[in-house]
Amino acid sequence: NAGVMQNPRHLVRRRGQEARLRCSPMKGHSHVYWYRQLPEEGLKFMVYLQKENIIDESGMPKERFSAEFPKEGPSILRIQQVVRGDSAAYFCASSPGTRDEKLFFGSGTQLSVL
Amino acid sequence: TQLLEQSPQFLSIQEGENLTVYCNSSSVFSSLQWYRQEPGEGPVLLVTVVTGGEVKKLKRLTFQFGDARKDSSLHITAAQPGDTGLYLCAVPIKRNEKLTFGTGTRLTIIP
Repeated sequence: NAGVMQNPRHLVRRRGQEARLRCSPMKGHSHVYWYRQLPEEGLKFMVYLQKENIIDESGMPKERFSAEFPKEGPSILRIQQVVRGDSAAYFCASSPGTRDEKLFFGSGTQLSVL
Repeated sequence: TQLLEQSPQFLSIQEGENLTVYCNSSSVFSSLQWYRQEPGEGPVLLVTVVTGGEVKKLKRLTFQFGDARKDSSLHITAAQPGDTGLYLCAVPIKRNEKLTFGTGTRLTIIP
C-alpha cells in the first residue's frame, strides 16, 4: 500500500531553467495539494487539484508556476525560468476527498537553484 | 498576519522533562490537526480534534482543543529523543479544501 510518491527527491537547477516536480497520490485518492516550505518555516499552501481540475490556486504565484493533475499519470508542479528564491522543499499531499480532511504527505522534493 | 500562531518557535529540553506547545488563533475552527515533521520528510498526522474542550491522548502526547475552538495545546510527558521534530498545527479553511498550517514549533530533545 504505497504512500504518496514524489520525485525527484532532490533537484538542482540553474537560474532560468525549468523544474518539473512529480507527485503520485495514494491509491484511491483523487485530491492533490502542493505546499512549499522554506527552511525553518511552516508549510505554505500553493494549489489544490482534483483530476483534470484546478480547484484553488490562490497560493501559487501567477507568473512562472503551473500545476496539473491529468486523468492518467501523476500531478506535475512546473516552475519555469527558476530563480534563487524558488529554492525550497515542495511537498505534495493527497486525500480521498471524503468528509475527512486528513492529508497524507509525500517526502518532498528539495529544489536548489544555483 | 498568520492565521495560526504557534509558540514557542523553538524548544530544546532534556530527555525526561515535560513540555507544552501551543497553537493560537482569533478565529473559530470546526476542527484542528497536529502533525509532526522529521528532517527530510513530509509531515505525518498525529491527531484531529473536533469538539471544544476535547482531549485526546496518544501514548505520552496529550492534545487539547480549546473550549471556544480557537486554540489547542500539545503536552508531552517524559520527552524522548524520538520526539524531536517540527510540530505543526493545521486547520481546514473549508470542508474538503486546503489546510492552513501554523508557524511550527521546532522541538529538540537532548539525550
